[in-house]
Amino acid sequence: AQKITQTQPGMFVQEKEAVTLDCTYDTSDPSYGLFWYKQPSSGEMIFLIYQGSYDQQNATEGRYSLNFQKARKSANLVISASQLGDSAMYFCAMRAFYNQGGKLIFGQGTELSVKP
Amino acid sequence: DAGVIQSPRHEVTEMGQEVTLRCKPISGHDYLFWYRQTMMRGLELLIYFNNNVPIDDSGMPEDRFSAKMPNASFSTLKIQPSEPRDSAVYFCASSLGGFSGNTIYFGEGSWLTVV
Repeated sequence: AQKITQTQPGMFVQEKEAVTLDCTYDTSDPSYGLFWYKQPSSGEMIFLIYQGSYDQQNATEGRYSLNFQKARKSANLVISASQLGDSAMYFCAMRAFYNQGGKLIFGQGTELSVKP
Repeated sequence: DAGVIQSPRHEVTEMGQEVTLRCKPISGHDYLFWYRQTMMRGLELLIYFNNNVPIDDSGMPEDRFSAKMPNASFSTLKIQPSEPRDSAVYFCASSLGGFSGNTIYFGEGSWLTVV
């Protein structure tokens, strides 16, 4: 079964510090993509970063990086130099076509609070 | 480029009324998804379409829910009759298909309250 697990319902981080949000996944698809989305209190879903299952290097987008460990089936999001505006819900998601038909499945989310 | 456009943004309706949510996907995208988000259940995929054809509607909660995609630029999600437990945020999303790395882009959501 295809599944995404985020085990941290809530996290706190001090402003300007780095924080890691955990994500593990399970899939039988040979090829898949892993995504992180941010959902601020205003409600919209904002795409942050993508990692392909065959990518050799970890993805980075500005202050966001994805720590991809394929053997462990983990795709943790690292936010460096946290800012107050980073306070939001963060969702890990996976997309695959072979068994998943191209749909995106989500984890339960992690609520991040950045303290001044 | 315009993003995914949903309407209405907010709707308050009485139990038993029909609710229609609308979505315009990003031009050129061939996949369209409807998700529902609640505190209890998180983000649930209700149904998705590829080239206007429903591919998987196993997430549609019951017969009161129906979705259509008459053309590549428009989709509706209808609830008839609505119930208080249908109160949620409904997201429409779209993407290009064929590759697991194609990002799925979300609309701003339709906030539905059934009283």
